[in-house]
Amino acid sequence: DTAVSQTPKYLVTQMGNDKSIKCEQNLGHDTMYWYKQDSKKFLKIMFSYNNKELIINETVPNRFSPKSPDKAHLNLHINSLELGDSAVYFCASSQVSGRNNEQFFGPGTRLTVL
Amino acid sequence: GNSVTQMEGPVTLSEEAFLTINCTYTATGYPSLFWYVQYPGEGLQLLLKATKADDKGSNKGFEATYRKETTSFHLEKGSVQVSDSAVYFCALFTSGTYKYIFGTGTRLKVLA
Repeated sequence: DTAVSQTPKYLVTQMGNDKSIKCEQNLGHDTMYWYKQDSKKFLKIMFSYNNKELIINETVPNRFSPKSPDKAHLNLHINSLELGDSAVYFCASSQVSGRNNEQFFGPGTRLTVL
Repeated sequence: GNSVTQMEGPVTLSEEAFLTINCTYTATGYPSLFWYVQYPGEGLQLLLKATKADDKGSNKGFEATYRKETTSFHLEKGSVQVSDSAVYFCALFTSGTYKYIFGTGTRLKVLA
């Protein structure tokens, strides 16, 4: 069973389009995250939800909107895509309460904006 | 604020060479420390972790010791293999913050 899954794995689209990436975790974790990884492998936190509540909202353009329908899902919607949005987006989850704070990552979604 | 600094890459080694990737941190409180590995085309996977001072994390021949006095968590392996070629990330987590702080990643290339 996949612990953290993301769809789609690849996304190629034109500038100006709107797209969504979906994430699901089956680990029973209370917190989920979205990260953006650029071509130099730098990992930047974008958003985090704890028990469906937004708790981290870094300096990200308003075109990016996360949605967490329940604890197991965190989706990312991007409006009016720009060339600079091209990157790999990773979803992750963890159980922040307690001492076992290991973070589990999804396989990533490679977004290419043309 | 909390931060993680790890050595710049890329690091290029011959097979069976000794590996050290340095990682130092700045944090309030008592963070948990992690090393993650990212193989080409994949997500990050936990390699090892340590949750308190003097703990040693180990996995797949890799080791790192949580040194509070030097605020370090250096990754070591005695004999690297071609299959260890990947990007390695040092990270910390402090309870109550919800945020994981990652280093910039160090690319390791092992030549046969």
